[in-house]
Amino acid sequence: EDQVTQSPEALRLQEGESSSLNCSYTVSGLRGLFWYRQDPGKGPEFLFTLYSAGEEKEKERLKATLTKKESFLHITAPKPEDSATYLCAVYRAGTALIFGKGTTLSVSS
Amino acid sequence: DTAVSQTPKYLVTQMGNDKSIKCEQNLGHDTMYWYKQDSKKFLKIMFSYNNKELIINETVPNRFSPKSPDKAHLNLHINSLELGDSAVYFCASSRRTGGQNTGELFFGEGSRLTVL
Repeated sequence: EDQVTQSPEALRLQEGESSSLNCSYTVSGLRGLFWYRQDPGKGPEFLFTLYSAGEEKEKERLKATLTKKESFLHITAPKPEDSATYLCAVYRAGTALIFGKGTTLSVSS
Repeated sequence: DTAVSQTPKYLVTQMGNDKSIKCEQNLGHDTMYWYKQDSKKFLKIMFSYNNKELIINETVPNRFSPKSPDKAHLNLHINSLELGDSAVYFCASSRRTGGQNTGELFFGEGSRLTVL
């Protein structure tokens, strides 16, 4: 059975304090791993797609990496506006995206 | 101009009632989805349509009936509402590349359903 597990459930950081979010997955025939950001009261917003182990993607203070079993979302020198829930999802052919339960990030100034 | 729009944004209703949620996308995508997000923020696929054809139905009770009149619209009708149906329902769309759906979904802002 396909599974996506994210940790930690919640993370509190001070502004400028870098950290990483983890997403471990079990899926046969992975077609892609995806990171989304969700703000309160909004729908998830696409951030990154990673297709193969060793791949990395960057966007501003965020960097996503992928291994054969997990993905990390590294947040460098976060700002309060980075506060959100970050969702990891996997995709294989014939299904829709399967999401993890998310990590809620709070960054205080 | 909103890419994926859902109406209504909020519904409050009594157990046993029937309600509908409408979704429209103006992105020209072929595939549309309904996801349910529970109180613990877990987002779970319910249905997927490709060009008006149902392609994914994830063991959702028969009380839930999706309908896609055209590829830009996907509606969700729920009969005999139960307390456990309270959740936020998200509509989403995606394009297809090489005959496969991409995982880059565009979500609406959600419809919060509260069943009393």
